[in-house]
Amino acid sequence: DAKTTQPPSMDCAEGRAANLPCNHSTISGNEYVYWYRQIHSQGPQYIIHGLKNNETNEMASLIITEDRKSSTLILPHATLRDTAVYYCIVRGDRYNQGGKLIFGQGTELSVKP
Amino acid sequence: NAGVTQTPKFRILKIGQSMTLQCTQDMNHNYMYWYRQDPGMGLKLIYYSVGAGITDKGEVPNGYNVSRSTTEDFPLRLELAAPSQTSVYFCASSKTPGQGWSEAFFGQGTRLTVV
Repeated sequence: DAKTTQPPSMDCAEGRAANLPCNHSTISGNEYVYWYRQIHSQGPQYIIHGLKNNETNEMASLIITEDRKSSTLILPHATLRDTAVYYCIVRGDRYNQGGKLIFGQGTELSVKP
Repeated sequence: NAGVTQTPKFRILKIGQSMTLQCTQDMNHNYMYWYRQDPGMGLKLIYYSVGAGITDKGEVPNGYNVSRSTTEDFPLRLELAAPSQTSVYFCASSKTPGQGWSEAFFGQGTRLTVV
């Protein structure tokens, strides 16, 4: 499985954009980049995923570099409720590592008033 | 849809006891996963299943067993509980990766303490 590297913690001011980086330099061609977050000790919540192109949904934007070796999750207007641990995961399809979902240590984002 | 349902929510076990953590999903997902999360740590994959009758080991399978006799259910069995198995256990399910929308949905967890 391709490994990911994330900063252990980040701070962000409420109302500002939160930019969370992820390095996945060993990613292979058919592996997707997924982002999840975990608030307190609840079950992780899906945010967004992408393969090559940048993606946007109602929660966030995902920017993947052209060489696919890194990505950035953007929360455009962070609120206090976005305080959570954010996980960047590289996941293959069923022919690549069986589609396992392997979590790293994540980035603890603290949104401050 | 209830999504992914785990039972029980909390359990205290004595060393050497056995128990089964239940997980059921009503989304007709082929893939199911079991994770454990120790305090302050990330999630570790215990076992996963790509469909009924098929299971495979994850990162930390020792001390656990699973079965997948139906698409809906994926129980996790602890045979001889040890204090090292004190953790929060999460079950998740997803469609087959690579076939359209396949994000994983997680249950709310089972908090297990072994004393």
